[in-house]
Parts: sequence; C-alpha cells; structure tokens
Amino acid sequence: DIQMTQSPSTLSASVGDRVTITCRASQSISGWLAWYQQKPGKAPKLLIYAASTLESGVPSRFSGSGSGTEFTLTINSLQPDDFATYHCQQHNSYPYTFGQGTRLEI
Amino acid sequence: QVQLQESGPGLVKPSQTLSLTCTVSGDSISSDPYYWTWIRQHPGKGLEWIGYIHHSGSTYYNPSLKSRVTMSVDTSKNHFSLKLNSVTAADTAVYYCATSTANWFDPWGQGTRVTVSS
Repeated sequence: DIQMTQSPSTLSASVGDRVTITCRASQSISGWLAWYQQKPGKAPKLLIYAASTLESGVPSRFSGSGSGTEFTLTINSLQPDDFATYHCQQHNSYPYTFGQGTRLEI
Repeated sequence: QVQLQESGPGLVKPSQTLSLTCTVSGDSISSDPYYWTWIRQHPGKGLEWIGYIHHSGSTYYNPSLKSRVTMSVDTSKNHFSLKLNSVTAADTAVYYCATSTANWFDPWGQGTRVTVSS
C-alpha cells in the first residue's frame, strides 16, 4: 500500500494567515492526489483533486500543488470557517489511502 | 445532486456481522460512471477506504479487509450495502458511504457511528 504522511499534525494559525500543509507519498503517485476538509462531527468535503484542480464551489483561497511524492495544500487569507482538519488521499492506485490528517486550529 | 444517507445498527457484538445500507437520492444507483464506496474513520484517526461497488456488481475491496467484506447493490431500492463479518473492537468507527466518478470521493453521506461491544 502507498503510505501517505501529512505534516504537521497540528497547525496553529490566525485569521488572515497563509498556511501550507504538506502530504508525502511513500512512492510516486504522479499528480493523483485529493484534499478534503473535515469539520467536527461532519463528513469530509472534497476541496481539490488531481493535485491542483479546485472542486466547484471551493473558494479560490485554497490551492494545491505538487507531483510525484510531495504535495502541498495552501490556504491564503485564512477565514474563520477554514479551521478544520484536512486530509490528503492518493488516487493513483488501489487501495486508495489517506494521510492521518492535519488539524488547523486557531 | 446525489445525496447519500447511511443507516444500520449503532452497536454490534464481537464476532457478529456489521451491516450498513446507504440510500442514494438525486440520481439512479445504476447511473454511470458512479462507483459506490465505503470509507471508515476510527475514533480520532484518519480515514480508511474499505472498497467500492459498481451497479454492475463489480467490486474492489481493500486487501486489509477483503476476507471479511461483502458489498452489494439493490437497484430496486436505490441503495447499496456493506457487510463486515467477524467484527472486533478494532472495527469500531464512523462508517461513511460516498460516491466517486473518478478516483476521489464526492459527495459523502453524513456517516454512522458503529461500536463493537458486548
């Protein structure tokens, strides 16, 4: 299985900040990575797929980049609604696997 | 817009079978190119992909669970199901159904918490 490792596990930031979350794959996944946002007690919500394609309706302050084994999710100008847990998921090969999550807190 | 809703017992005894159903609304479960998926999240942990089923009946299960998992589709009821047998406390989790048209998941159901305990 492809192991996905996110860093940091927890990130403290303030409204208006720019933050970056990293996701590393144990082997190359080309550009096949998705990012999800999850709020407490809720299901994850798709933000980005294919490493950098923004899902419809997702604010443009979210962006993704990377290829191969290293990927980043960047959030510009943090809004109060952005404080949540973020998960990466490789969609290159079965079984699909997720990172352990990054909790973004105020 | 497809919407998904999980249902099933919230408590299962060890060694028994966990059975969940995901009801699809907003589209037919027989529509292509949907793949109907189950994902779980252990308490305070990351997400684990369990597998998927296509309306044709084709499936792919996570090898880590393959020996215990069965998925099925009921087109007449527009729902799909998950059975996980011989459960232990390690199967305690929130179980989500989701759909994918490619290899990422959107949308998701709200999730249902399942506890394995005697």
